[in-house]
Amino acid sequence: AQSVTQLGSHVSVSEGALVLLRCNYSSSVPPYLFWYVQYPNQGLQLLLKYTSAATLVKGINGFEAEFKKSETSFHLTKPSAHMSDAAEYFCAVSSGNNNDMRFGAGTRLTVKP
Amino acid sequence: DAGVIQSPRHEVTEMGQEVTLRCKPISGHDYLFWYRQTMMRGLELLIYFNNNVPIDDSGMPEDRFSAKMPNASFSTLKIQPSEPRDSAVYFCASSPGLAIPNEQFFGPGTRLTVL
Repeated sequence: AQSVTQLGSHVSVSEGALVLLRCNYSSSVPPYLFWYVQYPNQGLQLLLKYTSAATLVKGINGFEAEFKKSETSFHLTKPSAHMSDAAEYFCAVSSGNNNDMRFGAGTRLTVKP
Repeated sequence: DAGVIQSPRHEVTEMGQEVTLRCKPISGHDYLFWYRQTMMRGLELLIYFNNNVPIDDSGMPEDRFSAKMPNASFSTLKIQPSEPRDSAVYFCASSPGLAIPNEQFFGPGTRLTVL
């Protein structure tokens, strides 16, 4: 079975500062990993996904994440936060089957002016 | 493509009433998922369908909850009778069957308030 743990339910950064959202996974098979973003009153949107190709994955809106097998981590980063990045971010893991995607509890990102 | 469509976007009802939430998945997607999101429990998978057939409903909280998918373009989630603790945002998501990795495409959600 797969699971993810997101460290920190709330993260606050200043505009222009580095964004780092942490995700650790557990999986008995090589995982597929995802980051989704949820803006207020909207559904989840895919930011990026890891598919066992390159370990550094680039997504939309300047976000990227690095798969580190030795650390079982898939942290999300962005060099410079923008006010529009304020949202809730979810990490998810799957074995590749359509029935077993598991979402983390989410991290709410606040960006201060 | 219009994406996953859910209706209504907001529903306010009184305890004991029947509530029906609707979902139209993305055309061609073989999988459909129903999720519930609350502050306390986060995002919970309630049930999912593959080719219109319910595969796993172990996440459905009680017999008051039921879901159907009569055809490839429509699904409903029904709560009868509704209770205040059912208040949550309900999301529908769909996924293409053969695409790996199997990202899910979410609808905008239905915010349910049971008074």
